[in-house]
Amino acid sequence: ETGVTQSPTHLIKTRGQQVTLRCSSQSGHNTVSWYQQALGQGPQFIFQYYREEENGRGNFPPRFSGLQFPNYSSELNVNALELDDSALYLCASSLIAGGFYNSPLHFGNGTRLTVT
Amino acid sequence: AQKVTQAQTEISVVEKEDVTLDCVYETRDTTYYLFWYKQPPSGELVFLIRRNSFDEQNEISGRYSWNFQKSTSSFNFTITASQVVDSAVYFCALSDSTGNQFYFGTGTSLTVIP
Repeated sequence: ETGVTQSPTHLIKTRGQQVTLRCSSQSGHNTVSWYQQALGQGPQFIFQYYREEENGRGNFPPRFSGLQFPNYSSELNVNALELDDSALYLCASSLIAGGFYNSPLHFGNGTRLTVT
Repeated sequence: AQKVTQAQTEISVVEKEDVTLDCVYETRDTTYYLFWYKQPPSGELVFLIRRNSFDEQNEISGRYSWNFQKSTSSFNFTITASQVVDSAVYFCALSDSTGNQFYFGTGTSLTVIP
């Protein structure tokens, strides 16, 4: 069973730039969620993708956007980067079946984004 | 509104001591799920346990045990005979029945001193 993989591991960007983070879901999972974890804080929900569509969104501005591909992998895009966007970005996959999720979130190792 | 509170920011124990991590949650849903995750320094959140709101039975898995009490909206986690490898940040989380969104607490950093 292949787990959740994220790339890149670390990234340094300048304020105002754009960034794309990538995630491959665990085999057998059809849903991908993205979380932002600031230093010393718990993960905060950004959004979830299911069947290639956004299936819920947290309190994040529109410059945070995403995609899910037919193979269930996903991208997180952040435009116009701000210093406060510096954080660990975690991708998690799960399985939704019959309208309800049937597995807990399984997380990747995350991408550490630093905005200078 | 959904909310998870982990009042203990940091805990240090000596190896082989027992330690309990507290978790208090708020929700208006009648069906919900509670979780514990472990986050070692590598950053990956490792799933430990899931409980649904209709199952208040306590659970034991090796040195780990969980005490779920709906009356006090608590879902506490006990590690028995702690080991250095238990050192990590532990997060309690809550989701509704759709699993659409998880609400995490701020975490408890556990240090086990050899």
